[in-house]
Amino acid sequence: EAGVAQSPRYKIIEKRQSVAFWCNPISGHATLYWYQQILGQGPKLLIQFQNNGVVDDSQLPKDRFSAERLKGVDSTLKIQPAKLEDSAVYLCASSPGDRKRRDTQYFGPGTRLTVL
Amino acid sequence: DAKTTQPTSMDCAEGRAANLPCNHSTISGNEYVYWYRQIHSQGPQYIIHGLKNNETNEMASLIITEDRKSSTLILPHATLRDTAVYYCISQYSTLTFGKGTMLLVSP
Repeated sequence: EAGVAQSPRYKIIEKRQSVAFWCNPISGHATLYWYQQILGQGPKLLIQFQNNGVVDDSQLPKDRFSAERLKGVDSTLKIQPAKLEDSAVYLCASSPGDRKRRDTQYFGPGTRLTVL
Repeated sequence: DAKTTQPTSMDCAEGRAANLPCNHSTISGNEYVYWYRQIHSQGPQYIIHGLKNNETNEMASLIITEDRKSSTLILPHATLRDTAVYYCISQYSTLTFGKGTMLLVSP
């Protein structure tokens, strides 16, 4: 079974530039998550999708971050414009979305963003 | 904020059991205890979860105290590849990660 795919793996940009990250979840997984992990900290949930609808985006900085999952499969996370404090690893995870049992999340390798 | 407390770091000799403690004294009745680990430069990996009973799978065992205020993750025979940050999470649905425990397994 293929895992969660993310691209690019690394990205370096200058502040005020825009950047986009792509995630392809495990086939058939209804729920998709984007996390931000700053160096030395645990991952922080940015947004959660159930199919193509947003379940939780309470910690997403909506003035500069946006995310979409138009067809309920792939997802894109965008930052526009980037700030220095956005330097982090952006992790995508997916889960089956079966509410009848605890949902195990499967994480991708992440995209390391450096903002100069 | 994370609702669990874990030691910042622990050491373990290769081949020995690694016992990682976690305090979750404010856990609610419907919240599960999850354990994930994150090897350097990789995404977190699910290990195990439980509600009340002790659990065991191919990776580890989870021992939850009767009052559910604390738990211990046990890696029965630690290997060098088990060196990672281990996160203990008490949650009903979404995961809130703390800083975890850095486990260093040495030869």
